[in-house]
Amino acid sequence: DIQMTQSPSSVSASVGDRVTITCRASQGISSWLAWYQQKPGKAPKLLIYAASSLQSGVPSRFSGSGSGTDFTLTISSLQPEDFATYYCQQANSFPLITFGGGTKVEIK
Amino acid sequence: QVQLQESGPGLVKPSQTLSLTCTVSGGSISSGSYYWSWIRQPAGKGLEWIGRIYTSGSTNYNPSLKSRVTISVDTSKNQFSLKLSSVTAADTAVYYCARDGGPITMVPYAFDIWGQGTMVTVSS
Repeated sequence: DIQMTQSPSSVSASVGDRVTITCRASQGISSWLAWYQQKPGKAPKLLIYAASSLQSGVPSRFSGSGSGTDFTLTISSLQPEDFATYYCQQANSFPLITFGGGTKVEIK
Repeated sequence: QVQLQESGPGLVKPSQTLSLTCTVSGGSISSGSYYWSWIRQPAGKGLEWIGRIYTSGSTNYNPSLKSRVTISVDTSKNQFSLKLSSVTAADTAVYYCARDGGPITMVPYAFDIWGQGTMVTVSS
């Protein structure tokens, strides 16, 4: 099984900060990685697919990069509505899917 | 626009079978090349993919749950369903249904539309 490890598990940041979250795969997954944002009591929301493609309607301050085993999600200027938990998800082992453990972005 | 809605009992007794249905509205479950998945999340924990179905009826399951899971589809009702047998307290979670992008969709290998989730508690 491909394991996905996110770091950090939590980060404290201020509005306007640049925030970077990392996701590492236990083996190469090409570019088949997605990122989701989840707020308390809500379903996850797709932000990025295929490692760097921005989902329709998602603000451009979100960006994704990486390939192989190392990926990043960057929020260029953190907004109040961005405080949430973020998950990565790999699909290189399709049909099997695995998610990372999540990164909670908290207010500093 | 396509929306998903989970339904089913919120309380299931240990050793019984959990049954949930996801109703697709705003579009046909058979249109496009999408798969349809179930994902769950225990309270305070991360996401676990359970399995998926294509409208042809072909399925894929998480190996850790495969022996207990059955996913089916009813295209006439625009619904797909989850059955999880022999449940224990460890199966207590919020269960989500989601649209699952296949390789030739606009969102390959990603879940672009989710239901709101339904809490299922396993307890006697």
